[in-house]
Amino acid sequence: QQPVQSPQAVILREGEDAVINCSSSKALYSVHWYRQKHGEAPVFLMILLKGGEQKGHDKISASFNEKKQQSSLYLTASQLSYSGTYFCGTETGTASKLTFGTGTRLQVTL
Amino acid sequence: DTAVSQTPKYLVTQMGNDKSIKCEQNLGHDTMYWYKQDSKKFLKIMFSYNNKELIINETVPNRFSPKSPDKAHLNLHINSLELGDSAVYFCASSRDSTNTGELFFGEGSRLTVL
Repeated sequence: QQPVQSPQAVILREGEDAVINCSSSKALYSVHWYRQKHGEAPVFLMILLKGGEQKGHDKISASFNEKKQQSSLYLTASQLSYSGTYFCGTETGTASKLTFGTGTRLQVTL
Repeated sequence: DTAVSQTPKYLVTQMGNDKSIKCEQNLGHDTMYWYKQDSKKFLKIMFSYNNKELIINETVPNRFSPKSPDKAHLNLHINSLELGDSAVYFCASSRDSTNTGELFFGEGSRLTVL
């Protein structure tokens, strides 16, 4: 089953923060985050492998709550370049099967 | 050199026709994938191959037939195209299949069925 992301869409002014959530109905082995700009391929952001793990990448970080089967992506001090659609991808134990979430469209404006 | 390359980038064809999309990766990865992205932007896995062997087949109609002549190539042939096949098809690769590491995507092939 496809992970559910919230919100579906968000509009930010440059410099504002955002949180994107990803929830699964199944126990998770790992959570991945990707960003896709319009007309382009998805690009890898990060993988979280353990429950409770948190990672950061510039001003983009993520957390993984294994018990709640959830992950959150945090974007701080957003930049115009952050605009795009963000996808979480989840693994539930079947090797090499990454199931992508419903997507969150993020638009950063001046 | 592009890490994962797909051809063609665009296909426009009539219902009932057959078409193929080719994918090549030069990353030395063992595992390759086909994903379908529909008009709602949902990305769904279709197939996964590890070193030329099919390991994932996600209830895709048998009109879709993937082929992997070697671990660097994964092609997708679609028979008797239907309107619902219109989508962007992404090829991707990862280092191995034990657990999915970073996926490297090709640029996508936009298929339009008229």
